Parts: sequence; structure tokens; C-alpha cells
Amino acid sequence: DAGVIQSPRHEVTEMGQEVTLRCKPISGHNSLFWYRQTMMRGLELLIYFNNNVPIDDSGMPEDRFSAKMPNASFSTLKIQPSEPRDSAVYFCASSLTRDNQPQHFGDGTRLSIL
Amino acid sequence: GNSVTQMEGPVTLSEEAFLTINCTYTATGYPSLFWYVQYPGEGLQLLLKATKADDKGSNKGFEATYRKETTSFHLEKGSVQVSDSAVYFCALSESNTGNQFYFGTGTSLTVIP
Repeated sequence: DAGVIQSPRHEVTEMGQEVTLRCKPISGHNSLFWYRQTMMRGLELLIYFNNNVPIDDSGMPEDRFSAKMPNASFSTLKIQPSEPRDSAVYFCASSLTRDNQPQHFGDGTRLSIL
Repeated sequence: GNSVTQMEGPVTLSEEAFLTINCTYTATGYPSLFWYVQYPGEGLQLLLKATKADDKGSNKGFEATYRKETTSFHLEKGSVQVSDSAVYFCALSESNTGNQFYFGTGTSLTVIP
């Protein structure tokens, strides 16, 4: 079974550039979550969607970050302009929106902003 | 509100030692509880879960029991292996939060031969 698929796995870019991270959730899952993981702050929830609608984006650090889910099988997280402090591993996870359902994580995108 | 507190790491054990990683939670309702494991360079993987009080989740020799009276969900394994070296996360979800998860800070485990 295909799990959550994220791309790219690694991204290195210069400060000021636009970065787009992509996620394909597990087919049939109707909740999607974006997380950021750093040594200093641990795992942080950035935003989550139910049925393609953003429910809570209070974790998005600032206006430079935006996320979209145009359909049930695709989501993007965009950073524009990027800054060195955005360097982190970004994870996407998906789940069924029912009680007791686990979240399934992708392998993450390791982002380095120079 | 909802939150999870895990014991501080890192934890270093010898192979075949007994493992306990403590986890306590605060929740407003009736949460489900989970343990996830993260190996280097990978995403979080579900290790086990329990959905109601006194349930025991188990997988790959790991166990955790949902204790409502002590609001705890401690992870245990009787005999760890080098391959168990990873970061372990405790988490909860409540049905009234749209399956939003609340994760602990993670506990790093290193098992030495």
C-alpha cells in the first residue's frame, strides 16, 4: 500500500527564494496535517485540513508561509520568501477523520536555506 | 486543554535491558493514546495505540497501558535491542478536535551492544 508521499526529500536553496513542498496523502484519508520538526522546537503542527478545507492554521509561523489543498490527493506548503531560520524537516501526515484513527506520516522534506 | 508530557532523554541502555519511557497526559475529554517511533532520517511510525481506559496496546515487544486514574501511558519493553534505537513520541487525540494530535517532545533511546 502506498503511504504518504512527500517531495522533494531534500531541498537546498538560497535565502529569499520561494520553496514549495508537496504532499500526496493516503487515498481515502480526509484529514491532512503539516508539521515542522527542529532540534530546538521539536515537532510543531503548522496547519491541518479536513475534506480539503483548512481548519486550524494557528501554527503557521508568519505570512511567508501558506498551504493549499486543491483536491483530496494533493497539498502544498509554500514559503516565500524563505529565510535561514526556516531550515527544518517538514512532515506531512494524513488520517481518516474518525475517532481513534492514527496519523500516517510521510518521510519528510529536509529543507536547508542558505 | 490537551497536552502530553514525556520523560526527558536521552536514554542509553545496554542490549537486553528493560525499558520504560514515562508519558502523562492532560485532556478535557476521553482521548485516544498513541506511541510513535522515529528512526533516523524517517517519518514517525505508529508503534501502538489504546483507545479507552485499561486498554493495553502492544507491538514488536513494546507495551503500554492506558491508565485513566494516573493519566499515564508509559511505554515498556522487557528486553531492548540495538535496532530499537530511535526517538519515541507519546501522543493523544480527542474526538472533538478533528483528529488533531498532541505530541510529547520525544525521548531519544540509544541501545548499546
